[in-house]
Amino acid sequence: QAGLTQPPSVSKDLRQTATLTCTGNSNNVGNQGATWLQQRQGHPPKLLSHRSNNRPSGISDTFSASTSGNTASLTITGVQPEDEADYYCSAWDTSLSAWVFGGGTKLTVL
Amino acid sequence: EMQLVESGGGLVQPGGSLRLSCAASGFTFSNSWMCWVRQAPGKGLEWVASITPDGSEKYYVDSVKGRFTISRDNAKTSLYLQMSSLRAEDTAVYYCADADMVWGQGTLVTVSS
Repeated sequence: QAGLTQPPSVSKDLRQTATLTCTGNSNNVGNQGATWLQQRQGHPPKLLSHRSNNRPSGISDTFSASTSGNTASLTITGVQPEDEADYYCSAWDTSLSAWVFGGGTKLTVL
Repeated sequence: EMQLVESGGGLVQPGGSLRLSCAASGFTFSNSWMCWVRQAPGKGLEWVASITPDGSEKYYVDSVKGRFTISRDNAKTSLYLQMSSLRAEDTAVYYCADADMVWGQGTLVTVSS
């Protein structure tokens, strides 16, 4: 099953804004929206954003998600050392009847 | 608080079987599409299987079709994954999730002789 496309890595200086992208197609991101997950080293994934682009309870408002066409984006405002992690997007693909994931973006805070 | 707790992982020989369980709490389990997602050591996330809220429809990644079976018991608010004919490449942490709402902590499955 085909996946979503994410850049493998992004580096940002402390307190800069990072924007992570996730590209799919009209059967997944463009149709159903995407969720965003954060995974710190040695920990399970943590949901940062629902497909509606709303944040779950307890997620900092420094994380914001949006969708334009077939591309979803996660913006992290004022990155901090604790934001260093792998970030994954996922979406339900209506043609495959499957969840598809991006390969993940490793965010490094300099 | 929404919570999913997986259990049942462990070491199994190639060709063997294992049954994973996932106990849900804090949300209306019977309304949720549920799924299993796995992560091989050092790799990304891979969707394994999904099941509709009433259990009538099930979907699988090609690599596990015919070997894995997803099921649920809404009365017990539990999700299951029966795995058979296990292979080394099935070694991974297996997560239970309502992928749009809540994820579990994972359970490690190691397939090795």
